[in-house]
Amino acid sequence: RKEVEQDPGPFNVPEGATVAFNCTYSNSASQSFFWYRQDCRKEPKLLMSVYSSGNEDGRFTAQLNRASQYISLLIRDSKLSDSATYLCVVARMDSSYKLIFGSGTRLLVRP
Amino acid sequence: DTGVSQDPRHKITKRGQNVTFRCDPISEHNRLYWYRQTLGQGPEFLTYFQNEAQLEKSRLLSDRFSAERPKGSFSTLEIQRTEQGDSAMYLCASSSIDRREKLFFGSGTQLSVL
Repeated sequence: RKEVEQDPGPFNVPEGATVAFNCTYSNSASQSFFWYRQDCRKEPKLLMSVYSSGNEDGRFTAQLNRASQYISLLIRDSKLSDSATYLCVVARMDSSYKLIFGSGTRLLVRP
Repeated sequence: DTGVSQDPRHKITKRGQNVTFRCDPISEHNRLYWYRQTLGQGPEFLTYFQNEAQLEKSRLLSDRFSAERPKGSFSTLEIQRTEQGDSAMYLCASSSIDRREKLFFGSGTQLSVL
């Protein structure tokens, strides 16, 4: 079983739609959580951190449920430019701090 | 451009040959990571350095893989006796110690083993 599991999609939505991605992680020692974005044939880039209380960044909302070991990303008012792969990422706050990436969820926003 | 740079961008080699990749991180970053990514998968952790010290190496990494970061600046990743299963995009990333979660990735080296 992978440490970070995501629905691969693709999610195909019209412009203006609201779309949500889910992610589960298996290691309860995971303490930090993030969403990265990867455009086609490009390198991943940090989109946002995920905090226990939930957090927003413009049209993007991230939620964390530690009890269920579940992370979500909500995108409101989808834009064509949101088309990308969204990678769920976890890290353990120990001496070997490293980021573990999920396989990603692909989003296609159509006109 | 002061981002992470990787060289070469593409490498085609025959099975059994050795290959070496180079990564130049952002100059003020003391943490450097190597990841491997195949189509449809997320980046898979290989190893990481804090300054010149290699602090962790993935158990998935065979003895054919070795990485160095002399003097805590650039890093090299060598794969000996390449196999077709080594074909992948090899990504290097760096981060600062106060923002460990924000990895800056290079454009990667695409390895094809024939």
